[in-house]
Amino acid sequence: ETGVTQSPTHLIKTRGQQVTLRCSSQSGHNTVSWYQQALGQGPQFIFQYYREEENGRGNFPPRFSGLQFPNYSSELNVNALELDDSALYLCASSFSTEINEKLFFGSGTQLSVL
Amino acid sequence: RKEVEQDPGPFNVPEGATVAFNCTYSNSASQSFFWYRQDCRKEPKLLMSVYSSGNEDGRFTAQLNRASQYISLLIRDSKLSDSATYLCVVNTGGNTGFQKLVFGTGTRLLVSP
Repeated sequence: ETGVTQSPTHLIKTRGQQVTLRCSSQSGHNTVSWYQQALGQGPQFIFQYYREEENGRGNFPPRFSGLQFPNYSSELNVNALELDDSALYLCASSFSTEINEKLFFGSGTQLSVL
Repeated sequence: RKEVEQDPGPFNVPEGATVAFNCTYSNSASQSFFWYRQDCRKEPKLLMSVYSSGNEDGRFTAQLNRASQYISLLIRDSKLSDSATYLCVVNTGGNTGFQKLVFGTGTRLLVSP
């Protein structure tokens, strides 16, 4: 077990709705990243938070947003859900933003958009 | 062109076989490299980091060729439990101050009795 926990494990929403996914990072980790993994694809980087600030973002539209809290837990919010947002959403935490720092993944939230 | 390219497989091998996976990456500024293992719809788990000098961890050997932008993973004496998807991963954050892992689509390995 990595110590990274995500909730909920599964979620079903309809198009146009909004969703919030949650992640608790491993103790001592101040950096959280979010990834989206569509079926048959590798995970894709959404964004990273370091000490409550977004410090890097992938190629995702603004309706994907996030927060990191003082205890370094994090939320991923997606507005105006589309069918293509159906995916496994993975949270990963690390001790720092150093390039060689290992990332530890949570078990993910499976989101289905109908 | 994808940033990280892998043969999706599947690779079907008998127990005890040796199998090799390859991947190529396009960003020459990439600084760190990994192989992750992912079981069906579960989270990716770090298998090993990959270094230019090559590194070995038990039955697993990883190699990096920076000049060719090529990464490999060799699995010797395959076990049934090795059946999984193997993801080639490159960290392209570089000097931007954040970590951005770029994953290949994964190579599926099926080890049969």
